[in-house]
Amino acid sequence: GQQLNQSPQSMFIQEGEDVSMNCTSSSIFNTWLWYKQDPGEGPVLLIALYKAGELTSNGRLTAQFGITRKDSFLNISASIPSDVGIYFCAGQINYQLIWGAGTKLIIKP
Amino acid sequence: DTAVSQTPKYLVTQMGNDKSIKCEQNLGHDTMYWYKQDSKKFLKIMFSYNNKELIINETVPNRFSPKSPDKAHLNLHINSLELGDSAVYFCASRRRDTQYFGPGTRLTVL
Repeated sequence: GQQLNQSPQSMFIQEGEDVSMNCTSSSIFNTWLWYKQDPGEGPVLLIALYKAGELTSNGRLTAQFGITRKDSFLNISASIPSDVGIYFCAGQINYQLIWGAGTKLIIKP
Repeated sequence: DTAVSQTPKYLVTQMGNDKSIKCEQNLGHDTMYWYKQDSKKFLKIMFSYNNKELIINETVPNRFSPKSPDKAHLNLHINSLELGDSAVYFCASRRRDTQYFGPGTRLTVL
C-alpha cells in the first residue's frame, strides 16, 4: 500500500539534544499528523496540522506542514529520556491515514 | 476512563483456531478502524466502519471479518489462524481528521 517517506529510520541521541525528523510524499494531503508510540501501547497523537505552512507547537515539540502540502517535519527540543519511542507521521486522504514507517528515537545513556 | 479499549491485550493461540478481538470506544465517534502492525512497526489499515457500515476494506484475507453491532463497537473475528497473522492489532476511532488508537492486541499464532 501507499506509504510516506519518513526519515531517519532511527536516531541515537544524547539527552538534551534537539531532534529533527521529516516526512515526504508524492501526494498532496489536507492534514498531516504526528503520532508517538511507546512500547506496548497504541500510537498517541502529538500534533495535528491542517493548513499548508502551518507551524504548531506542543511543549517541546514543533511541527510544520510544508507549503507544498507534500511534506512535514517534527522537531523535539532538549530531549529527555521519556521521549524514547517510535514517531510516526501520517497524511490524511479520503478519511484514510497514509503512514510513514516510523522514526525510532533512542537516547544514549 | 479509557477512550478506545481493546480486549484481550494478549492472545496466544494455535494455528487453525478461530479467535475474536473486541473494541469499544466511548468517544461518540462515528468511524472506527482496524489496523495491523507487523514486526517492522508498519501500520496497515484493514477495515473501516462508519455508523456500522463498512467503508474501507483493504486487501485482507476473507478469514478476517469485522463486525459492528453498534457504532461504539467494532470487533474483529479471525478464522483458521495462520502463523503470518501474528502481529499487533489496533483499533481506532476518528473525529474530524484525527484518529485515536486503542492499546493494541498482541496476537501470537503458534
